[in-house]
Amino acid sequence: DAMVIQNPRYQVTQFGKPVTLSCSQTLNHNVMYWYQQKSSQAPKLLFHYYDKDFNNEADTPDNFQSRRPNTSFCFLDIRSPGLGDAAMYLCATSREWDQPQHFGDGTRLSIL
Amino acid sequence: EDQVTQSPEALRLQEGESSSLNCSYTVSGLRGLFWYRQDPGKGPEFLFTLYSAGEEKEKERLKATLTKKESFLHITAPKPEDSATYLCAVQETGANNLFFGTGTRLTVIP
Repeated sequence: DAMVIQNPRYQVTQFGKPVTLSCSQTLNHNVMYWYQQKSSQAPKLLFHYYDKDFNNEADTPDNFQSRRPNTSFCFLDIRSPGLGDAAMYLCATSREWDQPQHFGDGTRLSIL
Repeated sequence: EDQVTQSPEALRLQEGESSSLNCSYTVSGLRGLFWYRQDPGKGPEFLFTLYSAGEEKEKERLKATLTKKESFLHITAPKPEDSATYLCAVQETGANNLFFGTGTRLTVIP
């Protein structure tokens, strides 16, 4: 009865080879978020959507893009991954901005 | 300047040894403060939301409290299964995002 599902759990890609991470939710929440979390660090917000309205954090690299084709799905595209992009990528949802966020179990991205 | 600071970074407790984790924050106005638990290789799991100073929330062995500058997560008689990283996050008034602390890594020894 997982509510925020991320696929794959582990992703290995080559330096510079585009990669897409996916997130789906069964909660019918309005807001979806993508975070990057490196080892022993706080999750860092990359993007968020309220329905289809997209918000990009000011310091999110241009290399990162996102799509939300419908309420249930959200994708994170990394166009040309560098070694510094190796991290855990977390997807979260919330009903409204001020409501608790519910996280998936993340995708751990490795760059060769 | 960091908006959310958690202490200690790591804490080792004997089973049954109660303690508290601290989250101090500096925001102009607080919309909400959130506590999460994160197990290795997993996403954060929501525990509590606190909205105003003086508010308290409890769940099993955990109790969260809030003042105007900090929040405490009190752990009473912890068990080994309470071992995890505990993350605090704040949301400023008028903002749509959370600022997370780096967490306290709790280890409870049997």
